[in-house]
Amino acid sequence: AQKVTQAQTEISVVEKEDVTLDCVYETRDTTYYLFWYKQPPSGELVFLIRRNSFDEQNEISGRYSWNFQKSTSSFNFTITASQVVDSAVYFCALSETPNAGNMLTFGGGTRLMVKP
Amino acid sequence: GAVVSQHPSRVICKSGTSVKIECRSLDFQATTMFWYRQFPKKSLMLMATSNEGSKATYEQGVEKDKFLINHASLTLSTLTVTSAHPEDSSFYICSARGDGGVTDTQYFGPGTRLTVL
Repeated sequence: AQKVTQAQTEISVVEKEDVTLDCVYETRDTTYYLFWYKQPPSGELVFLIRRNSFDEQNEISGRYSWNFQKSTSSFNFTITASQVVDSAVYFCALSETPNAGNMLTFGGGTRLMVKP
Repeated sequence: GAVVSQHPSRVICKSGTSVKIECRSLDFQATTMFWYRQFPKKSLMLMATSNEGSKATYEQGVEKDKFLINHASLTLSTLTVTSAHPEDSSFYICSARGDGGVTDTQYFGPGTRLTVL
């Protein structure tokens, strides 16, 4: 069975600091998809990134970057120069089926608090 | 693109009444929609998966007679909480996925906060 672990339940940083959110996953499948979602205080989950198991290239999008390492089953998320608006709960998720949009298994979430 | 709406955003009801929550995909056709429940400071718990035109598939421990799901069209799914009790109070979130390409991802609605008095 699949499992996603986000060991950090809460992280507090001061604005402009860099912060990395850890995500470790377990799966028996060779084909799977990994996701990160952001949940601000309003409650809506905002899709950030999808990565399939065959693509280990790291990705950068503005201040966000993701490091996918199959060897350690990790898909970590780094925010550079954090801002107060980054304060939210971040969820890492895994989909085992060939179809990326099915049956998401979520991690427990990491609450990030960015203080001015 | 890939916008999902939910209505209502917040509802307060009396114990014993039924509440209907709508989930709509606004700019894509969603062959599959998912319903989640989230308790305070907890992760999302999948309640059921619904495919357009067929019966929903419920996760273990979720009462299908209590949480009625209807996916009547490719853009609309509804969750009805029947005979609501205070323990049903929670944050309910739906998601929708299309087929292929950039829609081959679950996109989430803004959630509905249900309070049962």
